[in-house]
Amino acid sequence: AQKITQTQPGMFVQEKEAVTLDCTYDTSDPSYGLFWYKQPSSGEMIFLIYQGSYDQQNATEGRYSLNFQKARKSANLVISASQLGDSAMYFCAMREGNYGGATNKLIFGTGTLLAVQP
Amino acid sequence: NAGVTQTPKFQVLKTGQSMTLQCAQDMNHEYMSWYRQDPGMGLRLIHYSVGAGITDQGEVPNGYNVSRSTTEDFPLRLLSAAPSQTSVYFCASSPTNTDTQYFGPGTRLTVL
Repeated sequence: AQKITQTQPGMFVQEKEAVTLDCTYDTSDPSYGLFWYKQPSSGEMIFLIYQGSYDQQNATEGRYSLNFQKARKSANLVISASQLGDSAMYFCAMREGNYGGATNKLIFGTGTLLAVQP
Repeated sequence: NAGVTQTPKFQVLKTGQSMTLQCAQDMNHEYMSWYRQDPGMGLRLIHYSVGAGITDQGEVPNGYNVSRSTTEDFPLRLLSAAPSQTSVYFCASSPTNTDTQYFGPGTRLTVL
């Protein structure tokens, strides 16, 4: 069965430093997608970045990058130059299937609460 | 373009009451879904729809009904509310079943 594991319940980082949020996954499907979402204290879910299992390069979106290590089944989120506004809960999620047979059902991890300190 | 909208933002129910959580999107997205978020847990899928007239169950469907009569709307019905259904409910949509899902602002439901 597919599963997402986020082992860091909470993390601190100094403003302007980089931080890595860990995510490991388990699936038997060779085709899958990995997502990171941000949930600030206001409660909304904000999409950050996506990585497909067949993508050759690690995904990047501005200050966000996804360190995708397929053999280790890890998809860590790297935030560079942390800002106070990055303080939030971060969720890793997975979807099995990336093509026509996919159902777009997301499995979420339990999240990591990031606190950026000035 | 309002994106995904949810109403109400907050709701308090008594055990046994029924209600409908509304979800609408104006982006002509085929795929819509409902998740619930409980403390200390990630989001869990309740029901989803791949297009008008087509719905299916997710991970935690018991106690909830859905229908999809139009592309725009995907209401979630609680037939007889229970305290275990106290949660934050998120609706999400995507253009197809392989696109990134975008979430609504959520509805915080308390069942007493």
